[in-house]
Amino acid sequence: ETGVTQSPTHLIKTRGQQVTLRCSSQSGHNTVSWYQQALGQGPQFIFQYYREEENGRGNFPPRFSGLQFPNYSSELNVNALELDDSALYLCASSGGQGISYEQYFGPGTRLTVT
Amino acid sequence: DAKTTQPTSMDCAEGRAANLPCNHSTISGNEYVYWYRQIHSQGPQYIIHGLKNNETNEMASLIITEDRKSSTLILPHATLRDTAVYYCIVRVANSGYSTLTFGKGTMLLVSP
Repeated sequence: ETGVTQSPTHLIKTRGQQVTLRCSSQSGHNTVSWYQQALGQGPQFIFQYYREEENGRGNFPPRFSGLQFPNYSSELNVNALELDDSALYLCASSGGQGISYEQYFGPGTRLTVT
Repeated sequence: DAKTTQPTSMDCAEGRAANLPCNHSTISGNEYVYWYRQIHSQGPQYIIHGLKNNETNEMASLIITEDRKSSTLILPHATLRDTAVYYCIVRVANSGYSTLTFGKGTMLLVSP
């Protein structure tokens, strides 16, 4: 069983640029969630995708957007990067909707905005 | 989702049991208690979850009080590799999707 993978591992961008982060979900999982983790803080929910549609969103501006593909892999896009976007971006996959299911996290992408 | 309160940090000697408390006094009847941990520079790792009965798996045990207002995660024989931030989360499915709301967690330091 393949776990959740993310790419790239690290990324450095300049303020105002755009970035795309990628996530491959665990085999058999159809739901992907993205989180942002600033230094010293717990992860904060950005949004979730289920069967290629956004299925819920946290308190993040529209310049944070995403996609989910038919194979359930996903992308997180951030436009007009700001210094505060520097963080660890985590992707988590899970088996589907329901009251009780576990989310399995990837290793994350460390984004630095200068 | 209900708010949780955890100690900022705890210490444990290697080989001893680590007991990590969590207070969730405003938990609703349909909310589950989840525990995740995050080892430095890695993604969070699912440990265990429960609704009202005590649960045990190969990693840990979860003890939930009868009134469900608090719980304790027990690592029976802590090792150095258990040093991590431990997050207690309560969650209910909402509008057809469900997410995890992380607090700051408890930093557990296991020492030789």
